[in-house]
This record gives sequence, C-alpha cells and structure tokens, in this order.
Amino acid sequence: AQSVTQLGSHVSVSEGALVLLRCNYSSSVPPYLFWYVQYPNQGLQLLLKYTTGATLVKGINGFEAEFKKSETSFHLTKPSAHMSDAAEYFCAVSDQRNTPLVFGKGTRLSVIA
Amino acid sequence: GAGVSQSPRYKVAKRGQDVALRCDPISGHVSLFWYQQALGQGPEFLTYFQNEAQLDKSGLPSDRFFAERPEGSVSTLKIQRTQQEDSAVYLCASSFGTSGNTIYFGEGSWLTVV
Repeated sequence: AQSVTQLGSHVSVSEGALVLLRCNYSSSVPPYLFWYVQYPNQGLQLLLKYTTGATLVKGINGFEAEFKKSETSFHLTKPSAHMSDAAEYFCAVSDQRNTPLVFGKGTRLSVIA
Repeated sequence: GAGVSQSPRYKVAKRGQDVALRCDPISGHVSLFWYQQALGQGPEFLTYFQNEAQLDKSGLPSDRFFAERPEGSVSTLKIQRTQQEDSAVYLCASSFGTSGNTIYFGEGSWLTVV
C-alpha cells in the first residue's frame, strides 16, 4: 500500500527565507507525486507534480520539488517565502495502476514578517 | 463549468438525518473522486468513478455512505442516519484521465452533525 509522511505538522519561516517542506513516500511501484496547497476555507490547488522524466519539477508561485528515488523523498522548496505563501500544504502519491491519490497529513506553513 | 462545483457549501444536519452532497465536475472529465477531510487532517479517499462506473469504493467508512454518478457527469454522495463522526469537509475532484493526470478539487461541502 502507498503512504505519505510529511515531517513537521507546522513550519514557520521569516519572509524572504527559504521554505523547505518535507515529504517521504512509500510505494511498491514507480510513483506519481504531487504537492497541493490549501488556503483557508478553499479546496486544494495543484502546485506541481512528478510523473516521469526530469526529477526536478517546477510549479506555480516559485515552488519546486525534486524526486529522489534513493531517498523516497519529494521535498518542496521555495527560495524566498512571501506572506501569501501561508497555507496548508499536502503531499500526495499515486501510481500507474490507477490507484487514487493518497495524501499526507499536511504541513501548515506560517510566514512571519 | 470552469471548475469543480459542489453544493451545498455548508450543511448542518441533526444526528440521524440523511444528507446529500452534490458534485458537478469539470465538463468532459472522465474520472471523479470523493474525499473526506476531517479538521486538521489530510484528505482521505472515499470512492472513485470512471464515467458512470464506480470502480473503487474501498474508502467508504460504512454502509451509511453511498455515492452515485448515473449519467457519468454529476455525482451525489449520500450519507444516511448521520453521526457526529461524519462531521468533515467532503471534497469532490475530477480529472480528464486517470493516473498521472492533474486532479482538480472543488471547494468542498462542510458538514456539521449536531
């Protein structure tokens, strides 16, 4: 069975600082990996995804993530945090067998002025 | 429509009442998913449709939960005899295809059972 572990339920960074949100996955077959963002009282919005090809994936709002098979990780980064980045971030995994997305428990990002 | 539309956005139900939550996916999207998101948690898979066929309902927590998509477009999630533990946000999502395709989420239906 697939699973996702997001290390840190709450991360706090200063405005302009590096954002690093950690995600490790478990999958018996090559995974598809996703990061979603959720703002208060809203649905989930896709930030970026990895399916095949280049392991460094760039997404919206300046975010990127790197698929590292050897570490079973897909950490999300952004060089410089902005106040508008404050939200809940979810990592998710699926695979080629049409399995549904499995989400992590989420990481709440706070940005301090 | 432009996005996945869900109604009602907010529902307060008395314990024991039946509720129906509607999802209108993006036009042309074959796949439709329902997720349950408890407060402070990640979304948990409930069920999945490909067109009108319900291919996976392994996540439905009990036989009080029922979902349908009779014409392969709009879907309804029905919860019978609601319990307090059913209080959650119910998220509907759709995608054009299956694995690897981007899944688009609606804003959710917030259910509170009192």
